[in-house]
Amino acid sequence: AQSVTQPDIHITVSEGASLELRCNYSYGATPYLFWYVQSPGQGLQLLLKYFSGDTLVQGIKGFEAEFKRSQSSFNLRKPSVHWSDAAEYFCAVGHTGGFKTIFGAGTRLFVKA
Amino acid sequence: GAGVSQSPSNKVTEKGKDVELRCDPISGHTALYWYRQSLGQGLEFLIYFQGNSAPDKSGLPSDRFSAERTGGSVSTLTIQRTQQEDSAVYLCASSLAGTPSSGNTIYFGEGSWLTVV
Repeated sequence: AQSVTQPDIHITVSEGASLELRCNYSYGATPYLFWYVQSPGQGLQLLLKYFSGDTLVQGIKGFEAEFKRSQSSFNLRKPSVHWSDAAEYFCAVGHTGGFKTIFGAGTRLFVKA
Repeated sequence: GAGVSQSPSNKVTEKGKDVELRCDPISGHTALYWYRQSLGQGLEFLIYFQGNSAPDKSGLPSDRFSAERTGGSVSTLTIQRTQQEDSAVYLCASSLAGTPSSGNTIYFGEGSWLTVV
């Protein structure tokens, strides 16, 4: 069965520092991978997605993620965090012909000045 | 409309009462999803509609939960005889067609916060 693990419940980084949020998935075939962000009081917004091709995908707001099949990972990165990036981040996996997108439990990002 | 619209945004209900949550998807989106987000939890898939039919109801947690969609547009999630463990944010999402894997981005509403007291 598909599953998504986000090992870090919360992370605190200083403004301007780099960020990496971890995501590991379990799926037998090539997955379709997503990162969403949920800001306080907001709905979920898609940051980026990977379907095929280049394993390094660029998203909105300066985020990128790299698909590593050998590690079953799809970590989200940003070189320099802004205070407005404080939010909850969800990694998700879908599959061909599947209706469900399976979400991880989320990682809450705190940004300190 | 411009985005996925959900109502009510907040609902407090007494244990044992029935509640209805409404979702108005983005115009033209044929696929509609309901998810539940409990405190500190990820998103739990509830049900998926393609048009008015629900090919996948596997996520509905019990027979107290039901959902319908009419006219290929608005959907209603009904919870009967609510229990305290039903307290959560119920998120609705829509996409153009088919499944996420066909390349269609899912757009989420802001959710309906349900509190059962």
